[in-house]
Amino acid sequence: GESVGLHLPTLSVQEGDNSIINCAYSNSASDYFIWYKQESGKGPQFIIDIRSNMDKRQGQRVTVLLNKTVKHLSLQIAATQPGDSAVYFCAEKNQAGTALIFGKGTTLSVSS
Amino acid sequence: GAVVSQHPSWVICKSGTSVKIECRSLDFQATTMFWYRQFPKQSLMLMATSNEGSKATYEQGVEKDKFLINHASLTLSTLTVTSAHPEDSSFYICSARGLGLGNEQFFGPGTRLTVL
Repeated sequence: GESVGLHLPTLSVQEGDNSIINCAYSNSASDYFIWYKQESGKGPQFIIDIRSNMDKRQGQRVTVLLNKTVKHLSLQIAATQPGDSAVYFCAEKNQAGTALIFGKGTTLSVSS
Repeated sequence: GAVVSQHPSWVICKSGTSVKIECRSLDFQATTMFWYRQFPKQSLMLMATSNEGSKATYEQGVEKDKFLINHASLTLSTLTVTSAHPEDSSFYICSARGLGLGNEQFFGPGTRLTVL
């Protein structure tokens, strides 16, 4: 079946450190991936996306890396700030390409 | 731009009653809307996909007679939880995809449903 998962349920870092959040996906045909940030009691917020024809994409303080060989996706956050504390989900299109399938989430805690 | 709202933001109801949750795209036309359910400390689970003017497509295991979805216009979709029970208590989140906005889904802020 389709599944998208994350390696670690929690990640704790110090303010200013770089954070790396990982995700493994199972559908080798997936061609589009997204990272979302969800704060407590709120809906997911788009962070960055990447298509399968790319290995890397950079945004403001964030970088997404895609390794299609091992079906692995990662989100790197540079100079992590307390405001980055949230749950991070990776998502991919379902096999029909009509909707998103979410991974299990990693809770990022940033201490000052 | 591309804002999605939900109403209410939270609701408490008695077991056996029905609850309607609205999802609106405020500044774009939503050709497709999605409804997700999220239990505490868990991921978002897709419940159904609805296209304006047509019947919703439900995911396996989601009861269509219990979770009624209506997408009557390009800016509004509603989810009605019928005969709600405590196990239906959850965080319900909608998202929308719009004309000319590519693949991105824009998420609403969610509705917290508590069934007593």
